[in-house]
Amino acid sequence: KAGVTQTPRYLIKTRGQQVTLSCSPISGHRSVSWYQQTPGQGLQFLFEYFSETQRNKGNFPGRFSGRQFSNSRSEMNVSTLELGDSALYLCASRPTEAGELFFGEGSRLTVL
Amino acid sequence: DQQVKQNSPSLSVQEGRISILNCDYTNSMFDYFLWYKKYPAEGPTFLISISSIKDKNEDGRFTVFLNKSAKHLSLHIVPSQPGDSAVYFCAASDSGGSNYKLTFGKGTLLTVNP
Repeated sequence: KAGVTQTPRYLIKTRGQQVTLSCSPISGHRSVSWYQQTPGQGLQFLFEYFSETQRNKGNFPGRFSGRQFSNSRSEMNVSTLELGDSALYLCASRPTEAGELFFGEGSRLTVL
Repeated sequence: DQQVKQNSPSLSVQEGRISILNCDYTNSMFDYFLWYKKYPAEGPTFLISISSIKDKNEDGRFTVFLNKSAKHLSLHIVPSQPGDSAVYFCAASDSGGSNYKLTFGKGTLLTVNP
């Protein structure tokens, strides 16, 4: 069974640009969550989608947005990039709304 | 306000000895707790979990203990192996309010020396 797939794995952007990250969950998983990992800050929750509906949202500015498609694939978008947005963005999925999350390898974003 | 705290950024132990990783939480509504392990350049992988109705859960070399009155949980690894060297994250969720979001601590870097 294929795991959670995130693309791209690495990307470099400049301040002011926008970026879209993609996540394909494990087959059959309907819940997708996004986390930001920065040094010393652990994993900070961005949002969670279940059956195309956003169920939870973390304390991030409106520049961070996401969506989930009918096939459970998800995208997150960050507009007007800032230097502080440089981080590892992790996507995770699970079969239902509860239980353990299964993480992808992440998308490493560097903002110059 | 950090609801899940891992106060030790790092821990170093000798191979074969016990590793004890600690985690404290402040939200009394949390009722499900998990531990994840993360190697560099990889996503976190699930290790073990425990529900608040239990105070101990074992899986091979890994045991998680939960002390609800102290709002504290710990992960014991016995015996520790060099391959256990990784960052360990504690996570918690509150299922009572239909909010299953996992809240993570900042992680503890475990180094197991041969």
